[in-house]
Amino acid sequence: DVKVTQSSRYLVKRTGEKVFLECVQDMDHENMFWYRQDPGLGLRLIYFSYDVKMKEKGDIPEGYSVSREKKERFSLILESASTNQTSMYLCASSDLALSEAFFGQGTRLTVV
Amino acid sequence: GNSVTQMEGPVTLSEEAFLTINCTYTATGYPSLFWYVQYPGEGLQLLLKATKADDKGSNKGFEATYRKETTSFHLEKGSVQVSDSAVYFCALSDRTGNQFYFGTGTSLTVIP
Repeated sequence: DVKVTQSSRYLVKRTGEKVFLECVQDMDHENMFWYRQDPGLGLRLIYFSYDVKMKEKGDIPEGYSVSREKKERFSLILESASTNQTSMYLCASSDLALSEAFFGQGTRLTVV
Repeated sequence: GNSVTQMEGPVTLSEEAFLTINCTYTATGYPSLFWYVQYPGEGLQLLLKATKADDKGSNKGFEATYRKETTSFHLEKGSVQVSDSAVYFCALSDRTGNQFYFGTGTSLTVIP
């Protein structure tokens, strides 16, 4: 069974902390994506990567960075967490043809 | 540019009612079109897709037809069940931009 696995289902962090969200896929996909999901706003793309060490900004990259040192792993970093980054974060992967996006189960992050 | 507009919810239906969720898109090229479903507390999973004009995607009693002339991909089901209660997302993929574009989601509740 193909899988995208996010390291945590729930996280609670304090304002100003550095936060790491990890995502691993086992499908040898070139593309990986990070979205945040908020009520009424749908999915908004934060960053994506089409190859190791390559990254592209999405629609809302401010306050975030990413790392892709290995093909199977894509990390989202909140350099200094703020309360307005409280959200559901979804990781996804796909092949180069974008034939389908496979999603992880999501990480619900609360910043207090 | 690329975008997806879908019917706003929430939608509440009685069991065995007919379901339509409208979706229209704007695309610069020849996108593939998708419907994803998100059950409570989970990530998104593919429900159905269509890759070219006039294709019909179908799965679990749901159907959608890729209509290039009306730039639409409406989701339909003839008889909904309580277990269909979820959030439904329309999406397109664009290989030029190397990413997926999602609508804001439509919440469906089916009552017995």
